Amino acid sequence: EVQLVESGGGLVQPGGSLRLSCAASGFTFSSYWMYWVRQAPGKELEWLANINQDGSEKRYVDSVKGRFTVSRDNAKNSLYLQMNSLRAEDTAVYYCARVEVVTTHHYYYMDVWGKGTTVTVSS
Amino acid sequence: DIQMTQSPSSLSASVGDRVTITCRASQSISRFLNWFQQKPGKAPNLLIYGTSNLQSGVPSRFSGSGSGTDFTLTISSLQPEDFATYYCQQSYTTPLTFGQGTKLEIK
Repeated sequence: EVQLVESGGGLVQPGGSLRLSCAASGFTFSSYWMYWVRQAPGKELEWLANINQDGSEKRYVDSVKGRFTVSRDNAKNSLYLQMNSLRAEDTAVYYCARVEVVTTHHYYYMDVWGKGTTVTVSS
Repeated sequence: DIQMTQSPSSLSASVGDRVTITCRASQSISRFLNWFQQKPGKAPNLLIYGTSNLQSGVPSRFSGSGSGTDFTLTISSLQPEDFATYYCQQSYTTPLTFGQGTKLEIK
C-alpha cells in the first residue's frame, strides 16, 4: 500500500525549532518529487516547499524562506522539514505529499498525502 | 504570486443536485489546475489534475473544465459523501497556491 506517515509535531514555544519527518512506503520514494503543505486551523491549504528526487532542487514559499529547510534521505525513504524560529502563525497541520508528473503535459499534482502532524507554537 | 479565488465560498445543495464551483487565477495558468476534496479532520484528496483529468478511482460525476484564468469543477449529481470542502490549486509556477476553498453543505 502506498503510504506517507508524518511525525514530529508537537507544542513548541515561539522562537523554537522542530523537525518533521515523513516516512514513505509502498513506492519507489527516490523517483518522486515531494512537497510539504500546511493548513492553519480553519484556513486554506498553503504550499510550503518542494524537493526533487535527489534533493538538489528545493523551493520555498516566502513566508518560510530562511526559517524552514526541506531535505530527504532516499536510503531511509524519508522526507524532512526542519523548522526554526517558529512563530504563532506557523501553528497548523503539516502534510507531506507525493508529486506525480505527466511529463507530456508538464502536469504536476499531489496524488498521495499523509494524514498530517500538528504543530502548535505557543508560550 | 498567483492568487486563486474560488466562488462561492459556501454552497448549500441537495442530494441529486448539479453543482458548479468556479476558480479564477490572477494570471493565466494555461491548464495547470488541480482540484481537491477535503473532509473534516482528513487530508485533501485529489479529484482532478490538469484541469479536466479525472484521478484514478474518482467517480465520473466529477468533471473539470477551463483554461487560462477561469476554471470550473462540476458535480453532476450530488451524493451524500460529496459534502466537503473543495480547493483548486495552480501548478503553473512556484509558489504553488490554493484557492480559499468552497464548503459544500447539505440543504
